[in-house]
Amino acid sequence: AQSVTQLGSHVSVSEGALVLLRCNYSSSVPPYLFWYVQYPNQGLQLLLKYTSAATLVKGINGFEAEFKKSETSFHLTKPSAHMSDAAEYFCAVRGSGSSASKIIFGSGTRLSIRP
Amino acid sequence: EAGVAQSPRYKIIEKRQSVAFWCNPISGHATLYWYQQILGQGPKLLIQFQNNGVVDDSQLPKDRFSAERLKGVDSTLKIQPAKLEDSAVYLCASRSRRTGSMNTEAFFGQGTRLTVV
Repeated sequence: AQSVTQLGSHVSVSEGALVLLRCNYSSSVPPYLFWYVQYPNQGLQLLLKYTSAATLVKGINGFEAEFKKSETSFHLTKPSAHMSDAAEYFCAVRGSGSSASKIIFGSGTRLSIRP
Repeated sequence: EAGVAQSPRYKIIEKRQSVAFWCNPISGHATLYWYQQILGQGPKLLIQFQNNGVVDDSQLPKDRFSAERLKGVDSTLKIQPAKLEDSAVYLCASRSRRTGSMNTEAFFGQGTRLTVV
């Protein structure tokens, strides 16, 4: 079975500061891991994904995440926050063992950017 | 390519009424998901289809919720009768049938916001 835990339901940073959103996963098989972003009244948009090709994954809008198996973590970072980054961010996991594996989401982290 | 289409975008109904949501996935995507997202929470998987067969419906409240995917393309999610706690955004997503690391993620529609009063 797979699950994810997102630490911190709300993170607030100043514009230009480092963004760090935390995600820890649990998986009985090698996982695929994802970060999605959701803007108000919108669906979910994929930011980046880990598929075992490389542990450091770069995504859209300057975001990146590092897969750390020893820590079962997949934290999302961005060196310099922009006002447009304010949104809800979701970490998700899918087992790689079956093409029919379901995608399980965390509870989300709301990112606020202070001017 | 066109994205996942959902309709309607918004729906307000009274409790005990019925409602249906429609989803048209990305062309060629074999896997289709319905998620329920309650305000302030992450999406919760209700049901997953592979072509027109159900893969997982363990969290679908089957006494009031039903879903079908005839012909393995479009899907409909129905609630009958609705309760106040069903107020949420219902998200549809689809994923490619092709295996491999390029096709691991799901693509989401904009969702249907349901308000039960």
